[in-house]
Amino acid sequence: QSVLTQPPSASATPGQRVTISCSGSSSNIGSNYVYWYQQLPGTAPKLLIYRNNQRPSGVPDRFSGSKSGTSASLAISGLRSEDEADYYCAAWDDTLSGVLFGGGTTVTVL
Amino acid sequence: EVQLVESGGDLVQPGGSLRLSCAASGFTFNSYEMMWVRQAPGKGLEWVSYINIGGSSIHYADFVKGRFTISRDNPQNSLYLQLNSLRAEDTAVYYCARKDNGGWSPDYWGQGTLVTVSS
Repeated sequence: QSVLTQPPSASATPGQRVTISCSGSSSNIGSNYVYWYQQLPGTAPKLLIYRNNQRPSGVPDRFSGSKSGTSASLAISGLRSEDEADYYCAAWDDTLSGVLFGGGTTVTVL
Repeated sequence: EVQLVESGGDLVQPGGSLRLSCAASGFTFNSYEMMWVRQAPGKGLEWVSYINIGGSSIHYADFVKGRFTISRDNPQNSLYLQLNSLRAEDTAVYYCARKDNGGWSPDYWGQGTLVTVSS
C-alpha cells in the first residue's frame, strides 16, 4: 500500500524550529484534508493538527500545520525536550478509498 | 471525555482467528464513523478499515483481501474487527479510532490491543 512521503528523521536544539514535510498526490493531499499525529514512545497516536491547520484544544500553538497543493508540512517552534516523538501525516485517498499515512518522522531534540 | 478501549488481542497461530472489540464512551457513538488502524512492531501506522454510522458503507485496505470484517453495534456503543486467516505479517497493535466528522482521518484513538500471530 502506498504511503505519504515524510523524512525519516529531523532534529534541532531546544528553542529552535523544526519542519516536517509530507508529500502526496492529487488523490490524497491534493483533494483532502491533512492530519498530523504525535506518538510518544509506547503510547497511542494523538491528534496534533486536523483539517490542514487546525489545533485541537490543549495542543500548544508551537505546533502549526500548512498545506499547498499536494504537499503539507508540520512546524514545531520553540522546540522542547518533550517534543521528542514520532510524527505522522495522514490524508484520505480517493483512489484507494482509505486513509494513507506517512512513514513517520522521528524528531530528536539535541 | 472521549474514551475508546480495545480488547481481544492475543497470541494466535497462523491461519487462526480473533475478534477485536472497541468500547466507546464519552461521545454519541451513533453520530460518528469509525476506523481501525494497526501498527506492526517498530513500524509506522497502517489504516485497516472504515465503517460509516449505519454500517452500510465499509472500506478495507488492500492487504485485508476478504480476511477481516468490520462491524458495529450502536446500541452497545461498540466497534468490532473480526480477523480470519491470520498471517505472521498481521502481527501488530490494532487501534480503534473515531473519524473526524469534518474530515476523513481519525481524531481520537484508543490505547490499542496487541495481536501476535506466531506458531
